[in-house]
Amino acid sequence: ILNVEQSPQSLHVQEGDSTNFTCSFPSSNFYALHWYRWETAKSPEALFVMTLNGDEKKKGRISATLNTKEGYSYLYIKGSQPEDSATYLCASAAYSGAGSYQLTFGKGTKLSVIP
Amino acid sequence: EPEVTQTPSHQVTQMGQEVILRCVPISNHLYFYWYRQILGQKVEFLVSFYNNEISEKSEIFDDQFSVERPDGSNFTLKIRSTKLEDSAMYFCASSVSRGVGNEQFFGPGTRLTVL
Repeated sequence: ILNVEQSPQSLHVQEGDSTNFTCSFPSSNFYALHWYRWETAKSPEALFVMTLNGDEKKKGRISATLNTKEGYSYLYIKGSQPEDSATYLCASAAYSGAGSYQLTFGKGTKLSVIP
Repeated sequence: EPEVTQTPSHQVTQMGQEVILRCVPISNHLYFYWYRQILGQKVEFLVSFYNNEISEKSEIFDDQFSVERPDGSNFTLKIRSTKLEDSAMYFCASSVSRGVGNEQFFGPGTRLTVL
């Protein structure tokens, strides 16, 4: 079973501030890293799926980087807005050798953006 | 925009009773998943399903659990004899393609409370 850790656990920022959080995961047999945005009472929404070392992905003001050799990914939010308030989950998958894979989730980073 | 739906949103049951949680995946998706999140803990993988059979299951998914695609649209999770520790939020997800390198679309979850 993988150990996926996220930090910080929670974060309060002022509207307009930029922020970032970390996801760390075991680098051995790495296969994929997912980021999800999860608003209260809604479905977790996929932000990025990343598989290659050095990958950088961007969606609007949100971007993510991936380092598979050292086992971490950063999620950045530029110019935070109140609607960015949510829990951000990362999930990692390692190749098990059996031809199928499981996502292992971190506990999430809860972001609150203060207007 | 197509979405994964789940019913009911909240289910309360007595210990030892059977429950069936229902999901309608996105219509052109072929791979289906169940996850759960016990309050305050990480989201955990339970099972993946493709072509009317289980692709992979976690150690949580013991003989008390079963999944089924009874028709062309529904995907169900059955817990035969519920225990207190089965109380959790259960999420269904679906994807177009197999493997965790592909984006998974999540439903809003069913909160199961076992008394």
